[in-house]
Amino acid sequence: GDSVTQMEGPVTLSEEAFLTINCTYTATGYPSLFWYVQYPGEGLQLLLKATKADDKGSNKGFEATYRKETTSFHLEKGSVQVSDSAVYFCALSETGGGNKLTFGTGTQLKVEL
Amino acid sequence: GAVVSQHPSWVICKSGTSVKIECRSLDFQATTMFWYRQFPKQSLMLMATSNEGSKATYEQGVEKDKFLINHASLTLSTLTVTSAHPEDSSFYICSATRQNSPLHFGNGTRLTVT
Repeated sequence: GDSVTQMEGPVTLSEEAFLTINCTYTATGYPSLFWYVQYPGEGLQLLLKATKADDKGSNKGFEATYRKETTSFHLEKGSVQVSDSAVYFCALSETGGGNKLTFGTGTQLKVEL
Repeated sequence: GAVVSQHPSWVICKSGTSVKIECRSLDFQATTMFWYRQFPKQSLMLMATSNEGSKATYEQGVEKDKFLINHASLTLSTLTVTSAHPEDSSFYICSATRQNSPLHFGNGTRLTVT
């Protein structure tokens, strides 16, 4: 079956540091890939997505590239802020609409001054 | 603001009792709602897909009689954990969508069974 593996947290960074959160997947078809973010006390929100190989999703300074050859969708941000502290979930969907999702375990990011 | 409201956010119940969790879409009519369960340091696991007016579709390994899902209207789905036991303690999350629209998540419900 489908699965998503992402790096364990927590990841602790200083403000303005470079962020990478690794995510790899296994899927039978050609899934769409997503990053969701959960800020403290809030529900999951879609951060970015990519629907086919080599697509790059980007939002709020975050970006991730759909790499079919390495089955990866790593999340990156050049300069993190304290307000980026949250839990980040990588996910995939075999259905085009992205509604039936398979999630990774989530990675907690803590950004300190 | 939140478009999906989940209630309660936190509940403690005694073993053997039942607990109902509500998931409401606040400003749109949700044709489909999903219920997830999350154990500490583990993925969100899809439990069931709920379409308004029809029976929920449960994922393999999820007990239908234990986790009762009702989607009686386009704005409300409920998950009832029946005869709860300590192993049912978990974080339950719902999400809602309508056709061709983004998925919106609730804030989750922390269930602790003592």
